Amino acid sequence: SQQGEEDPQALSIQEGENATMNCSYKTSINNLQWYRQNSGRGLVHLILIRSNEREKHSGRLRVTLDTSKKSSSLLITASRAADTASYFCQETSGSRLTFGEGTQLTVNP
Amino acid sequence: DTEVTQTPKHLVMGMTNKKSLKCEQHMGHRAMYWYKQKAKKPPELMFVYSYEKLSINESVPSRFSPECPNSSLLNLHLHALQPEDSALYLCASSQEGLVQETQYFGPGTRLLVL
Repeated sequence: SQQGEEDPQALSIQEGENATMNCSYKTSINNLQWYRQNSGRGLVHLILIRSNEREKHSGRLRVTLDTSKKSSSLLITASRAADTASYFCQETSGSRLTFGEGTQLTVNP
Repeated sequence: DTEVTQTPKHLVMGMTNKKSLKCEQHMGHRAMYWYKQKAKKPPELMFVYSYEKLSINESVPSRFSPECPNSSLLNLHLHALQPEDSALYLCASSQEGLVQETQYFGPGTRLLVL
């Protein structure tokens, strides 16, 4: 199956800074979800954004969706060392579930 | 209980062995998923069970055999695996059996095939 692309592949920032990760996809989607994965562990769901939505917020997280550009972004504001993890977008299209390549975020104290 | 549990946490097996991975959830979810994840790569969908019936098989080799004995339990039977099958195997569940839903993941089983 085709994989979406995420950029950057790796991002290193200082605590308190904002982190922005981008995800591009190739097909029409039902929705797009963002997950977080701490090293070698299971994924934790962050936000779901539907194809008819443009922006959603949850705490320090903000997700945008641009269906004309087939892209989404995840913004983490006021980052903390505990935000260090891999972040994946997942597109759902019909019965297909596809994760992007992921962004490894490192937040330095 | 909002947890998906997976056993064992780690598994080492030879290429001639038969082993099984187990996944359990008690959230009343009706869909369960198996994913395979290689190091530094995203999870790849293997199987989806919806209402205890296999609804998606992503062309997975027959040496992987899923089983869903009831709506809370999902097994993955392994036989004659290859070293390239070494990976983190993740189980997930979702509420209504639709792949568009939010999935809840277990911690995974780290498998090493020698």
